[in-house]
Amino acid sequence: SQQGEEDPQALSIQEGENATMNCSYKTSINNLQWYRQNSGRGLVHLILIRSNEREKHSGRLRVTLDTSKKSSSLLITASRAADTASYFCATGLTGGGNKLTFGTGTQLKVEL
Amino acid sequence: DGGITQSPKYLFRKEGQNVTLSCEQNLNHDAMYWYRQDPGQGLRLIYYSQIVNDFQKGDIAEGYSVSREKKESFPLTVTSAQKNPTAFYLCASSFRTGGDTQYFGPGTRLTVL
Repeated sequence: SQQGEEDPQALSIQEGENATMNCSYKTSINNLQWYRQNSGRGLVHLILIRSNEREKHSGRLRVTLDTSKKSSSLLITASRAADTASYFCATGLTGGGNKLTFGTGTQLKVEL
Repeated sequence: DGGITQSPKYLFRKEGQNVTLSCEQNLNHDAMYWYRQDPGQGLRLIYYSQIVNDFQKGDIAEGYSVSREKKESFPLTVTSAQKNPTAFYLCASSFRTGGDTQYFGPGTRLTVL
């Protein structure tokens, strides 16, 4: 079963614009992670936010977590064509050990 | 050069044949995972192992088998019992402590003809 649902499913923006994608989940979590996948490749970890954190930054990435709404958002500022990829949220569940449950992903296309 | 490798990158098999996908890591990670990804979909967990000689079923284990005889290796066998085996298979590893990030291999695309 998939715990996370990303929204939107697909997003197309111009280079230089900001991209925001959202993730909603269903059960109590220990942490939430965002991963990036270029077409036909493996996933690359971007950022992890723990359940007791509300916001985290890494370079052009900003992640927020609202545990009361069971949702997270990933903001990519000043997007570049190289940011074109699929982005997945993954939740580590409370009591779930180290297992992650992945969402369905947002396909981001950044056009020149 | 540390990392996680999967081989082969592309694999073609005839229906009814078992096939084994390789996954090796030299990151000294205790935990390893196998996921399946179908077109336009997220990842679904097939099997995972938190320690050598131990593994657990994930959400879609039917038709698959694994072994974990060495810390570095976690091969996945797609058996003839798997009804729809054509997919992209991803292997990952992580430290065993809760909440650690997973590191992914490049994936194997399996096509059953």
